[in-house]
Amino acid sequence: SQTIHQWPATLVQPVGSPLSLECTVEGTSNPNLYWYRQAAGRGLQLLFYSVGIGQISSEVPQNLSASRPQDRQFILSSKKLLLSDSGFYLCAWSGQGDIYEQYFGPGTRLTVT
Amino acid sequence: AQSVTQLGSHVSVSEGALVLLRCNYSSSVPPYLFWYVQYPNQGLQLLLKYTTGATLVKGINGFEAEFKKSETSFHLTKPSAHMSDAAEYFCAVSATSGYSTLTFGKGTMLLVSP
Repeated sequence: SQTIHQWPATLVQPVGSPLSLECTVEGTSNPNLYWYRQAAGRGLQLLFYSVGIGQISSEVPQNLSASRPQDRQFILSSKKLLLSDSGFYLCAWSGQGDIYEQYFGPGTRLTVT
Repeated sequence: AQSVTQLGSHVSVSEGALVLLRCNYSSSVPPYLFWYVQYPNQGLQLLLKYTTGATLVKGINGFEAEFKKSETSFHLTKPSAHMSDAAEYFCAVSATSGYSTLTFGKGTMLLVSP
């Protein structure tokens, strides 16, 4: 069966510091991968998605970036965090054969102080 | 462009009562439709989905939803609420051809009182 991991689970970072969140998927090949941010009362905001290694699409211009160095690894980064980057970050994957159904990881709670 | 509207950011029910969470969508063609549930500080879990075929779909934990094309709705129901159903519920829509991402509603928090 497929599983999706995210780490760290929680993170407290000062404004201006860098960020690296990691997501890995097991049990499937060539998944589509997604990063979402969830802020209180604002639902889910799609940040990035990837259909393959090195292929990243950005949905919202911001100070965040994403990379996919390996088939089942998706990384969310920032060079300098802003207070507004605080939130709950969720990684998700979908299969190539059934690309409309997404499966979510446990999330990372980021607090920027 | 697709959009999803969930009526009511919060819905309160008593244990044993009917649960009804409303979702309306906007799409140029009939989309695929999903309901997800999120418990505090956890990721989203797929409850059920409609793609094609029978318009009444059953999901996990006793939930079901009916796709009504004429009303552009996909409301989520459960005959009898349980305390463990307290969570946030998200309706989502995607296109049915080509590569497409999911568009989520803003979510409805379900509160269940004893």
